[in-house]
Amino acid sequence: GAVVSQHPSWVICKSGTSVKIECRSLDFQATTMFWYRQFPKQSLMLMATSNEGSKATYEQGVEKDKFLINHASLTLSTLTVTSAHPEDSSFYICSARRLEAFYEQYFGPGTRLTVT
Amino acid sequence: SQQGEEDPQALSIQEGENATMNCSYKTSINNLQWYRQNSGRGLVHLILIRSNEREKHSGRLRVTLDTSKKSSSLLITASRAADTASYFCATDQAGTALIFGKGTTLSVSS
Repeated sequence: GAVVSQHPSWVICKSGTSVKIECRSLDFQATTMFWYRQFPKQSLMLMATSNEGSKATYEQGVEKDKFLINHASLTLSTLTVTSAHPEDSSFYICSARRLEAFYEQYFGPGTRLTVT
Repeated sequence: SQQGEEDPQALSIQEGENATMNCSYKTSINNLQWYRQNSGRGLVHLILIRSNEREKHSGRLRVTLDTSKKSSSLLITASRAADTASYFCATDQAGTALIFGKGTTLSVSS
């Protein structure tokens, strides 16, 4: 149990286009979902926290108008990278906290975004 | 934001040797977790140690936590080539997002 999926697993897009990444909790309801970004050979950096039905909270330095997060249900959060640029190329990982087990956090497999 | 600092940044050992990685953090925590990540892949959860625990074992893994020093260590005994990966500590401040350290890259050669 406690599986989190991400779609797509990898995507290549042209500069200036937008890309949407989905994060789903498959077998549990998630009160909160988190989005992280990881550049090559670096650690995971928290981008934002999203709670179902409310606006996401962004970490300092993360542009909320560029990285649009929607958490429409207890099992789905989406991250849209708008007007993507090559510097947005990164590994994006989501995680979700279970409704019943507040301190348990489960990670998706990640989405590799390459902007050309 | 990053909470932890891992030490060393990179570690190269031979198969059969033990590998020790350290993690320091800055604020009070509810628990500390260790993850492994193979190159280009997702995270694998290794072990969680709560703030009121001092030591925990799981197979070849041994984790210690010293909340007075705000530090933790991960020991992998009898390393194998398959243990080659990056290892991250992550701290949980009770309900907020996990905050990751910078990681240790472990290379185990046969």
